[in-house]
Amino acid sequence: EVQLVQSGAEVKKSGESLKISCKASGYTFTYNWIAWVRQMPGKGLEWMGIVHPGDSNTRYSPSFQGQVTISADRSSNTAYLQWSGLRASDTAMYYCARVLSGFDVWGQGTNVTV
Amino acid sequence: VVTQSPGTLSLSPGERATLSCRASQSLSNSYFAWYQQKPGQAPRLLMYGQSSRATGIPDRFSGSRSGTDCTLSINRLEPEDFAVYFCQHYRSSPPEYTFGPGTKLEIK
Repeated sequence: EVQLVQSGAEVKKSGESLKISCKASGYTFTYNWIAWVRQMPGKGLEWMGIVHPGDSNTRYSPSFQGQVTISADRSSNTAYLQWSGLRASDTAMYYCARVLSGFDVWGQGTNVTV
Repeated sequence: VVTQSPGTLSLSPGERATLSCRASQSLSNSYFAWYQQKPGQAPRLLMYGQSSRATGIPDRFSGSRSGTDCTLSINRLEPEDFAVYFCQHYRSSPPEYTFGPGTKLEIK
């Protein structure tokens, strides 16, 4: 079974750094891009960017370029989303998803409160 | 920009739902996908390539496209269909995966 399991909820202060994770299983991690999606409280879905675990190539939505860093470690089948200086406006649920004809498999989400 | 209409749709079980999505620009080699999200849950892929059902999605769900417009139809609404539906306009190169604001399908 294809699964993406995300790290647990985080409560941080403004200015702090944070790195959340998304561990893949049940398929060859290096075959598909992984996307990160933000959902602010009570709001819609926003695509943040994608990473290809095979070569660590990344692409960012213009709205998130320079605001976050997306990466992947193929040795541990894990993708990451990180911030170097959180702001209150980063409070949201963050999802990772496998990119395959849209986003076909989603993680359970990581709730980040700043 | 991707827009969806209506913002809220109130229907009864057994009725047919029609949800609309429009992309503001035509992208080459682009497609539409639809997702269902229930409270407290991650989104679930329903349709991709505008008219292909994802694994496990019943044939009550169907999709169609005309240019920059895409439609999701749900026949014979079941109680579990009442949720928020997001449209996504996507292409892989260069990557673009824009979501619409969502349509809330509620029980009338």
